Amino acid sequence: GAGVSQSPSNKVTEKGKDVELRCDPISGHTALYWYRQSLGQGLEFLIYFQGNSAPDKSGLPSDRFSAERTGGSVSTLTIQRTQQEDSAVYLCASSASGPSFPLHFGNGTRLTVT
Amino acid sequence: DAKTTQPPSMDCAEGRAANLPCNHSTISGNEYVYWYRQIHSQGPQYIIHGLKNNETNEMASLIITEDRKSSTLILPHATLRDTAVYYCIANYNTDKLIFGTGTRLQVFP
Repeated sequence: GAGVSQSPSNKVTEKGKDVELRCDPISGHTALYWYRQSLGQGLEFLIYFQGNSAPDKSGLPSDRFSAERTGGSVSTLTIQRTQQEDSAVYLCASSASGPSFPLHFGNGTRLTVT
Repeated sequence: DAKTTQPPSMDCAEGRAANLPCNHSTISGNEYVYWYRQIHSQGPQYIIHGLKNNETNEMASLIITEDRKSSTLILPHATLRDTAVYYCIANYNTDKLIFGTGTRLQVFP
C-alpha cells in the first residue's frame, strides 16, 4: 500500500518568508510525528500527534514553528519568518499506536532558506 | 528514555554477517530496544524491536543480553545495499523516539 507521502520534496524560500510542509500519513495510522535533520546531523524530534492532538510540543525549536493535524490524517508543519538555520530535511512518520508498532517515515522535505 | 551508546562506524565485507552493538546500561524494565536504519537521502526504515527475548525477522536478528544492558543487531549476510546509518533506541513507547548519532555501517565488496 501507499507509504507516508510528504510534499513538496524540495522547497527553496527566501529568509523571512513563511512555508508550509505537508504530510500524508498511512491510512489508519493514528500517530504522526515530525522530525528534522540538518545536514550531516542526527534526527531531531519536533512534535507528535495522537489523533488531532499534540500531547508533546516541547521539541518545536521556537514559536515560529507550529503544526496541526486535521481529521486524524493530514498534517501541516508551518514555519513563519524562516531563518537560514531552519534549512534542513523535515521528516514525517506515522504509526499505529503502541510500542509494538513501528514508525514509517516519508522521504522528507528538503528546505533551503536563502 | 535510556541513553544508548553505539560505535560511530563499522565495516563489513559483503556476504558476511554484520554485528552492530548497542549499549543501553540504564534501560528500565518496560523500555523496548528499537533498531532503525537510514540509507542516504531516505527517511529512516524500521528494522526490528524487542523487549526481553531475542527476535528475528526477514531483515535481521536482535540479540538482547539477559540483563538487558546491551544488544546486538545481526544482519546475517550483508549486501552493499545494507550500507547505512543504524540507530539503536531504547524507549517505553514510540511517542518520542530519540535518534542518536548511530553507527555508520559500510559494506564493501
